[in-house]
Amino acid sequence: GAVVSQHPSWVICKSGTSVKIECRSLDFQATTMFWYRQFPKQSLMLMATSNEGSKATYEQGVEKDKFLINHASLTLSTLTVTSAHPEDSSFYICSADPDGGLNNSPLHFGNGTRLTVT
Amino acid sequence: DQQVKQNSPSLSVQEGRISILNCDYTNSMFDYFLWYKKYPAEGPTFLISISSIKDKNEDGRFTVFLNKSAKHLSLHIVPSQPGDSAVYFCAVRGGADGLTFGKGTHLIIQP
Repeated sequence: GAVVSQHPSWVICKSGTSVKIECRSLDFQATTMFWYRQFPKQSLMLMATSNEGSKATYEQGVEKDKFLINHASLTLSTLTVTSAHPEDSSFYICSADPDGGLNNSPLHFGNGTRLTVT
Repeated sequence: DQQVKQNSPSLSVQEGRISILNCDYTNSMFDYFLWYKKYPAEGPTFLISISSIKDKNEDGRFTVFLNKSAKHLSLHIVPSQPGDSAVYFCAVRGGADGLTFGKGTHLIIQP
């Protein structure tokens, strides 16, 4: 159980275009999902917390107008990278907590999306 | 300022021996600690966790130790197997917040 599916697994786009990444919880409902970003050989950095039915909470230094997050249902959150630039090229990973943060519980991660902006 | 530190970027261990991965944290308010395993171009996979009320948790070949006074935790893998070769991330969680990760340790199991 506790499967998180992320799509697409990789995408190449041209500079200035927008890219949407989907994150789905397949066998549980998630009021909260988390979006991470990983640069090569670096740690996973939390970008934002996606809240179902309300605005996302962004970490310091993350531009909310550039990284649009929509959490329209209890099983789907989307991250849209708007007006992408080469420096946005990275590995984006989403995660969700089947227990909704009520108890100490691990987050389960999707398989990530490799974004390359040319 | 890093809240979670994994000071060894890489570790090489012979197959069958014990692998010990270390992690230090700075904030004594963290109450839940986790280890994840990650392969390139994949999401992290949850391995084992421990809450602050315990000092040891064991699951098969994996044991996590927590030393709250030293703000230190470690992951022991014994015996180490070739399939254990991966990057291991230490992570902490406070309440319902997202995880804060260390920089990872690349474990290499030598045959």
